Amino acid sequence: NAGVTQTPKFQVLKTGQSMTLQCAQDMNHEYMSWYRQDPGMGLRLIHYSVGAGITDQGEVPNGYNVSRSTTEDFPLRLLSAAPSQTSVYFCASSYSAGRQGIQYFGAGTRLSVL
Amino acid sequence: KNEVEQSPQNLTAQEGEFITINCSYSVGISALHWLQQHPGGGIVSLFMLSSGKKKHGRLIATINIQEKHSSLHITASHPRDSAVYICAVRSKGGNQFYFGTGTSLTVIP
Repeated sequence: NAGVTQTPKFQVLKTGQSMTLQCAQDMNHEYMSWYRQDPGMGLRLIHYSVGAGITDQGEVPNGYNVSRSTTEDFPLRLLSAAPSQTSVYFCASSYSAGRQGIQYFGAGTRLSVL
Repeated sequence: KNEVEQSPQNLTAQEGEFITINCSYSVGISALHWLQQHPGGGIVSLFMLSSGKKKHGRLIATINIQEKHSSLHITASHPRDSAVYICAVRSKGGNQFYFGTGTSLTVIP
C-alpha cells in the first residue's frame, strides 16, 4: 500500500530557480491538496483539487501553480523560488470533496531556498 | 486571524497520566479532524468528527458543535504518545481546511 507518495524528500534551490514537487496517490481519491508548514504556524492550504481537471486556490497560493491531469497525480510547481518559500510541504488526499473523509498525508518535502 | 486555536501549546506528562488537549474554532465546519505528527515529521489522521464522541484504543475525541470546541483525551499516557497533536477543521460548504498550530506532547517514563 503506497498511499500518498511525495518526491523529493529534500531539496535545496537558489532564488529564482523553478522546480516541481511531485505527489501521487493510489487510493483513487478525488480530493488532493498541498500544504506548507512553517515554525510556529499551523499547516496552511496552498492549492487543492476536487477531481481531475479541477483546481482551486487555498489560503496561500501566491508563487505556486498546480494542475490535475489525472486522478492520481497532483504536482506543485514553484515558478521562481524565493527564500520565503523555504518550508516543509505536505501533500494530502481524501476520498471525496463532497463526502467526509479522513486525509492521508505524504511524508513531506523539506525545501530550502537560498 | 486564527480560525483554529489549540491549548496548551506544550504539555509534559508522566507516564500513566490522563491528558487533555483542547481545540476551539471560529468558523462553521462540516467536520473536525485530529492529527498526530510524529517526531520524524509524518502526519497521520486520528479522528474525524462531526458530532458527539469517538474512541480508538486509549484515545477519545469529543466535539461540542454549539460551543465550537473539541477535546482530545489520552488515557494512561505512554512515552510513545509523544508527538505533536494537530486540530484541523473543514469549512462548512467548502473545501478549505484550517489547522491549529499544534500541541507538543512529551510523556516522560
